[in-house]
Amino acid sequence: NAGVTQTPKFRILKIGQSMTLQCTQDMNHNYMYWYRQDPGMGLKLIYYSVGAGITDKGEVPNGYNVSRSTTEDFPLRLELAAPSQTSVYFCASSYKGTGTGTGNTIYFGEGSWLTVV
Amino acid sequence: GIQVEQSPPDLILQEGANSTLRCNFSDSVNNLQWFHQNPWGQLINLFYIPSGTKQNGRLSATTVATERYSLLYISSSQTTDSGVYFCAVAPNFGNEKLTFGTGTRLTIIP
Repeated sequence: NAGVTQTPKFRILKIGQSMTLQCTQDMNHNYMYWYRQDPGMGLKLIYYSVGAGITDKGEVPNGYNVSRSTTEDFPLRLELAAPSQTSVYFCASSYKGTGTGTGNTIYFGEGSWLTVV
Repeated sequence: GIQVEQSPPDLILQEGANSTLRCNFSDSVNNLQWFHQNPWGQLINLFYIPSGTKQNGRLSATTVATERYSLLYISSSQTTDSGVYFCAVAPNFGNEKLTFGTGTRLTIIP
């Protein structure tokens, strides 16, 4: 009963380095999301996906890339890390059906703490 | 985009007290959810409630979609209720992209 699993949980990057945050879900959800949360703030959407092969930008996509080759996995790539990307990153997933009343409850992973120095 | 305002920003209560948290939003929505972020950072979904009223134990929520607000009620508060409560909404005819408010930080004192 894993739900949404993110790795790594903690990471320190140097400016200019690149890395990938991994996210996988085992609930057969079609929607997946990446959010970031800066200290004392709410969550901001980076990218989302409505199904395998389909991704779209959220509110703060600059400096990030995503791919969705399978239903289960939605990795987030940071290229050329900058101090402004120091944040907590949350992956999430939900199921959205096509009928009315098919609610879209969202489930979050436990977060990945990233520090860029 | 849609604006989400939560009030109060901070709330400190004695154990056993009741509380009401408010979420105002600027546009019609087809998705509204309440979350609790515990002191360890974990986000737990409390309610999916784009309209109407729901109850789950000591917690209940009401959304008045026509007046663009939602309320989260916590009764008989316990110290484990401490944390930050977020409201998140997605607009009608949107694409299910949830916009989060800045949250209400609730501290329950024993």
